[in-house]
Amino acid sequence: SAVISQKPSRDICQRGTSLTIQCQVDSQVTMMFWYRQQPGQSLTLIATANQGSEATYESGFVIDKFPISRPNLTFSTLTVSNMSPEDSSIYLCSVAMTGRYEQYFGPGTRLTVT
Amino acid sequence: AQKVTQAQTEISVVEKEDVTLDCVYETRDTTYYLFWYKQPPSGELVFLIRRNSFDEQNEISGRYSWNFQKSTSSFNFTITASQVVDSAVYFCALSEARSGGGADGLTFGKGTHLIIQP
Repeated sequence: SAVISQKPSRDICQRGTSLTIQCQVDSQVTMMFWYRQQPGQSLTLIATANQGSEATYESGFVIDKFPISRPNLTFSTLTVSNMSPEDSSIYLCSVAMTGRYEQYFGPGTRLTVT
Repeated sequence: AQKVTQAQTEISVVEKEDVTLDCVYETRDTTYYLFWYKQPPSGELVFLIRRNSFDEQNEISGRYSWNFQKSTSSFNFTITASQVVDSAVYFCALSEARSGGGADGLTFGKGTHLIIQP
């Protein structure tokens, strides 16, 4: 497995602003993913972020709203842009080790938009 | 499109009872992967098991066991002699084979909230 950290752990933001969430892994991984978990709900995949290529977004998520960076094999960021109260969720990053299919998740970032 | 159904929203049992969490999946791929994750009240997601579509062998790990049946597209999870610490939300998830190999994004079921009463 891998040790994954996320910053910030939580934040309260005003509508219309943007927040960048960082995901750091203690080992090099090819595959990183970003998920959203709305209050009391399941997890939904936002995008897949592979180092060296553009992020691939799932239906319903667009790059203008959720730009992602993946500058190296241990780090990624997700920005939630022009936030509205509907963006209040837990945002989680996950990684899959090379040759493995199970994903390990970070502790999540709890975002509240007022 | 892939889909995971966990019909049981919430299950409540008394400690030491056995409990089975159901998971039914849909996929058009012949190669896919099934997972169970645990999310305790603290919120972190804990990986429990992965099953490949070509491996229908059931698995037992301590008090946990998993029954994978391709004929019914089910991947059920049984906890034997449940304990209060088993209280959590349990998610079943599916991913299809990624072209070029490697992990693909997960499709999660809605989760089953398991409550173990002392």
